[in-house]
Amino acid sequence: AQSVTQLGSHVSVSEGALVLLRCNYSSSVPPYLFWYVQYPNQGLQLLLKYTSAATLVKGINGFEAEFKKSETSFHLTKPSAHMSDAAEYFCAVSDPGNTPLVFGKGTRLSVIA
Amino acid sequence: GAVVSQHPSWVICKSGTSVKIECRSLDFQATTMFWYRQFPKQSLMLMATSNEGSKATYEQGVEKDKFLINHASLTLSTLTVTSAHPEDSSFYICSATIPTGQGIYNEQFFGPGTRLTVL
Repeated sequence: AQSVTQLGSHVSVSEGALVLLRCNYSSSVPPYLFWYVQYPNQGLQLLLKYTSAATLVKGINGFEAEFKKSETSFHLTKPSAHMSDAAEYFCAVSDPGNTPLVFGKGTRLSVIA
Repeated sequence: GAVVSQHPSWVICKSGTSVKIECRSLDFQATTMFWYRQFPKQSLMLMATSNEGSKATYEQGVEKDKFLINHASLTLSTLTVTSAHPEDSSFYICSATIPTGQGIYNEQFFGPGTRLTVL
């Protein structure tokens, strides 16, 4: 069965510092991987996705993630944090085809001025 | 881009009443919609998979008689929480996919969610 593990339920960084949110996956088939952001009382916004093309994926708002099969990881990074990045971030995995997403527990990102 | 709407965005109801939540794909046809539930400060958990014209497939532990799902058209799926109780209070989110074929990535588009509070 597929699963994702997000290391760290809460990450705090200073404004301008590197953001690194960790995600490891488990899948029996080549996975599709996603990062979503959720602001309070709102739905999910797709940041980026990996669907077996380039292993380094660039997303919106300056975020990017690298798919590393050998490490079964898909960590999310941003070179310089902004206050507006403070939110909940979810890593998710799915099988190919019309299948639902399996979400990690989420990581809350706080950005300190 | 593809847009999914949900209605209502929030609802407060008394214990024992039923609440219907609508999920609509506004600019595309979705043969499959998924319903997720998110408890406060927790992740999203899949409740059921809704396919147009057929019965929904529920995840283990989700009561199909309590959470009635109807996917009557290619653009509308509804979730009815019957005889709601305070423990049903949650954030309900739907998603819809544009079918592109087996073995091919089908992007999911999420609705904005519905906040249900049962008093």
